[in-house]
Amino acid sequence: DAGVTQSPTHLIKTRGQQVTLRCSPISGHKSVSWYQQVLGQGPQFIFQYYEKEERGRGNFPDRFSARQFPNYSSELNVNALLLGDSALYLCASRLGIQETQYFGPGTRLLVL
Amino acid sequence: GESVGLHLPTLSVQEGDNSIINCAYSNSASDYFIWYKQESGKGPQFIIDIRSNMDKRQGQRVTVLLNKTVKHLSLQIAATQPGDSAVYFCADQGAYNTDKLIFGTGTRLQVFP
Repeated sequence: DAGVTQSPTHLIKTRGQQVTLRCSPISGHKSVSWYQQVLGQGPQFIFQYYEKEERGRGNFPDRFSARQFPNYSSELNVNALLLGDSALYLCASRLGIQETQYFGPGTRLLVL
Repeated sequence: GESVGLHLPTLSVQEGDNSIINCAYSNSASDYFIWYKQESGKGPQFIIDIRSNMDKRQGQRVTVLLNKTVKHLSLQIAATQPGDSAVYFCADQGAYNTDKLIFGTGTRLQVFP
């Protein structure tokens, strides 16, 4: 079975631009979460979606938004990009509320 | 606030030796912990997990120990191999029905021949 997939793998943007990152969960997984991982640190929780509803939000500004589609795939949007938004953005999925989270390979975003 | 910390940023071991990676957590209400392995340029890979009603769990060459009294967990890797070289994170999922994982900064495991 395919694992969590993310696109694109790499992205370069300039300050002030907007970016959309995409995630496809493992088949059958209904919960998707997004994390930001700055170089040299552990991932930081951004959002959780379950059954297309936001179930959790981390300490990130309103410039960050996300949504989940009927097929359980998800998009993360970041507006008005800042240099500090440069990071590896990870998507994780799990089957249900009592299951382990599995991560995708991430999208590496560089903001210049 | 909540935090998950690691005692050592880098651990160097010889191939074939056993490795022990330690982790401390602060939320006494947390009931689910996971160890992830992250290789360069890749996403975290699930290794093993443990619930708070257990104090030990074993997998293939890996063992996780949980000491709730001192809020400490460890990952033991038996017969460490070069392919085990990576950054290891412990993560605290708090309550079992939440997706919010709290990660530590990670320990880099280096395996020498």
